[in-house]
Order: sequence, then C-alpha cells, then structure tokens
Amino acid sequence: KAGVTQTPRYLIKTRGQQVTLSCSPISGHRSVSWYQQTPGQGLQFLFEYFSETQRNKGNFPGRFSGRQFSNSRSEMNVSTLELGDSALYLCASSQIIGDTQYFGPGTRLTVL
Amino acid sequence: SQQGEEDPQALSIQEGENATMNCSYKTSINNLQWYRQNSGRGLVHLILIRSNEREKHSGRLRVTLDTSKKSSSLLITASRAADTASYFCATALARQLTFGSGTQLTVLP
Repeated sequence: KAGVTQTPRYLIKTRGQQVTLSCSPISGHRSVSWYQQTPGQGLQFLFEYFSETQRNKGNFPGRFSGRQFSNSRSEMNVSTLELGDSALYLCASSQIIGDTQYFGPGTRLTVL
Repeated sequence: SQQGEEDPQALSIQEGENATMNCSYKTSINNLQWYRQNSGRGLVHLILIRSNEREKHSGRLRVTLDTSKKSSSLLITASRAADTASYFCATALARQLTFGSGTQLTVLP
C-alpha cells in the first residue's frame, strides 16, 4: 500500500496570509490526525477526523481548521498566519484513532 | 501540554551498546506507543503496548510498561549508527495520542 502523502512539502508564507495543507491517508484508513511540531512546544495534537467528522480537537485557536472528504483525504487550513505558526505539520492516518498511526513526511511551513 | 516525558533528553552511545529510554506519563491510558523520527521527517511507528501488557519485543526492541508507576521504557539492543534519531513515546486515551518531548539518540560508529 502507498504510504501517507502530504502536499506541499515546503511552503513559505507571510504574516496575515492563509494556507491550506493536504493529506492523503493510507488506502482504507478512515482516521486522519494532524499534529504541529516545533522545537519549543514539541509535537502537539491539532485535530482528528473520522468519516468526515471532527472527532477530537487539541488546544489550538480557531484559526486552525480542517476537514475530511468522503475519500478520507483531509485538508488543514490556517488563517491569518503568525510567525509562531512556522512549524512542521504532520498528518497521520490509522484505522482507529488511538491505534498505530502512520505518518506522512510532513509539510514544513515557514511564516515570514 | 504533553502527557509523556522522556528521559534522558539526549543519549550518546557507541555502536553495539544498548540504549535505554524512559517515558513517564500522568493519566490512565489505553496503550502506549513508541515512534522514531529521523531529522525533521515523519514519525515511524516502532511498537505499541496495551495497558494490560507488561512487556513486548520486536526485533532489537524491547518495551516494558508499568501502569502502577505510569512509566515505560524502550530498550534498543546492539545499537547501530542507523538508530540515530529522536524517539518519542505517545500515550493513547479517548481517541487522542499525546506525545512526549522525545529523546535524541546518537549512536557513534
């Protein structure tokens, strides 16, 4: 099976802009989770989608949002970008949340 | 906030030696998982141990879980230079994985 794919791999934006990141899970996986990784805060859970519904959400402001499509592909959107949003954004898929998660390579977002 | 805390934060050993990393957590869990991350890339799942298990093996990896002490350890035997990476524990509860801060392992050739 093909692994989890994320696009784009690298992204440079300026403050105030918005960005959309995409994640394609492993075929058959219905759960998609998003994480933010920074040197200061480490790996932090953003949200999880299962069958097109957000099932769980981390402690992030409303500028961070996401959605999942009927084919389980997921997108994550960050509006009004801030310098502190610079991070590696990781997507992971699994058959059941809380079980083994399979991670994509990540999208490196730099906000200038 | 992070549920798990790894210890040590950094570990440097010679090739062929064993490496032990520890993880402590605060609340009850369904399972605990260990992941490896190479240099800013995606995480790779290593092993999952359920709350009713005490020990699990996978190749050169051995994981123990002590739910009474809320702690887990990951042992890598006969380490290789290719094991150089960051290792994270993650606790699973209520449909959410919470990651620790990680241990940076360096294996010197």
